[in-house]
Amino acid sequence: GQQVMQIPQYQHVQEGEDFTTYCNSSTTLSNIQWYKQRPGGHPVFLIQLVKSGEVKKQKRLTFQFGEAKKNSSLHITATQTTDVGTYFCAGPSNEKLTFGTGTRLTIIP
Amino acid sequence: DSGVTQTPKHLITATGQRVTLRCSPRSGDLSVYWYQQSLDQGLQFLIQYYNGEERAKGNILERFSAQQFPDLHSELNLSSLELGDSALYFCASSRGGESSYEQYFGPGTRLTVT
Repeated sequence: GQQVMQIPQYQHVQEGEDFTTYCNSSTTLSNIQWYKQRPGGHPVFLIQLVKSGEVKKQKRLTFQFGEAKKNSSLHITATQTTDVGTYFCAGPSNEKLTFGTGTRLTIIP
Repeated sequence: DSGVTQTPKHLITATGQRVTLRCSPRSGDLSVYWYQQSLDQGLQFLIQYYNGEERAKGNILERFSAQQFPDLHSELNLSSLELGDSALYFCASSRGGESSYEQYFGPGTRLTVT
């Protein structure tokens, strides 16, 4: 079945540094979604990318969908303490959404 | 607040017991999904219902079952509970049935089996 891997599994950064998480699917995706889960919270939808090579920005967050539609990335510029949490990518497969393994971001003040 | 409600928030029970988790989707959403998240683990998809019918199935154990009622709320039944069933159980809802729809998650039910 489809596998969605994310790297790194954990990332610790100093506040103000940049952060990037990478998402790789074993199959081509029709679209990719990103979710954020704060510690003790529930996943919250961030964005969906559909087109090959698509890039979308949300303030300090930049999302990219690969040309082959098998990988994606989320880049955060100048991290803040509010960015703490686990970031999941998710891709559709066989009528269900398969979530990636997640990247847990911690910020060192 | 996502608009998805889940009850109860916490549940502590003993091995061998049976529990029922309840979820009400966002107003207007027809799909309900159930996920299991163990400590420091990702989101494991269990099952999806769309407008009362089972739509997709993940790695849901035979001891677990679910249903979606005419008013679109859903219940997840967990029976013959084992210690390993301790986890956070999330319900999510979406407007349509296809996996391309964004999902809105509820606050979760934390189940502890002792």
